[in-house]
Amino acid sequence: DAGVIQSPRHEVTEMGQEVTLRCKPISGHNSLFWYRQTMMRGLELLIYFNNNVPIDDSGMPEDRFSAKMPNASFSTLKIQPSEPRDSAVYFCASSRDSYNEQFFGPGTRLTVL
Amino acid sequence: KNEVEQSPQNLTAQEGEFITINCSYSVGISALHWLQQHPGGGIVSLFMLSSGKKKHGRLIATINIQEKHSSLHITASHPRDSAVYICAVRDYGGSQGNLIFGKGTKLSVKP
Repeated sequence: DAGVIQSPRHEVTEMGQEVTLRCKPISGHNSLFWYRQTMMRGLELLIYFNNNVPIDDSGMPEDRFSAKMPNASFSTLKIQPSEPRDSAVYFCASSRDSYNEQFFGPGTRLTVL
Repeated sequence: KNEVEQSPQNLTAQEGEFITINCSYSVGISALHWLQQHPGGGIVSLFMLSSGKKKHGRLIATINIQEKHSSLHITASHPRDSAVYICAVRDYGGSQGNLIFGKGTKLSVKP
């Protein structure tokens, strides 16, 4: 059974460009989480969805970040415009519901030049 | 002050040693997670617990709710256990999916 799938695995872009990260959760999981990991701040929750509905987006840094979940099998995290300080590893995770064990995707390493 | 503190930050052990990683937290929680992040970057959930003790193979996790403290133990450590171990708590007063993470403990097990 496939785990959480993220794409791309690596992204290098220039400051000001739009970046879109993609995530496919495990089938049957109702909760989806977007995290960011940096050396300075460690892992931080950006936003999570229950049944495709955003529940807590208090971790989204600013208006340049947006996330959508149009259906149960797909979510995107968009950064527009990107800045060098957005460079990090972005993880997507899913779980049966928000109380349960979370399964992490392999992450997307984003570098903004 | 961080809400989730882990100790030690770095740990080097010889193969076969018994290892303990500690996690202390300052908020009321409904659950605590232990995660393992491999050198390649992948993250795996090891345990989720809200009381008592859980065991999986050579790994044991304990939690003391009254003392707001959890420990992760590794028996008969092996070089393949080398990874970063991350403690995360679900704040009882926060939104149900919001985990608060510790900074991690980097473990290196030498052969």
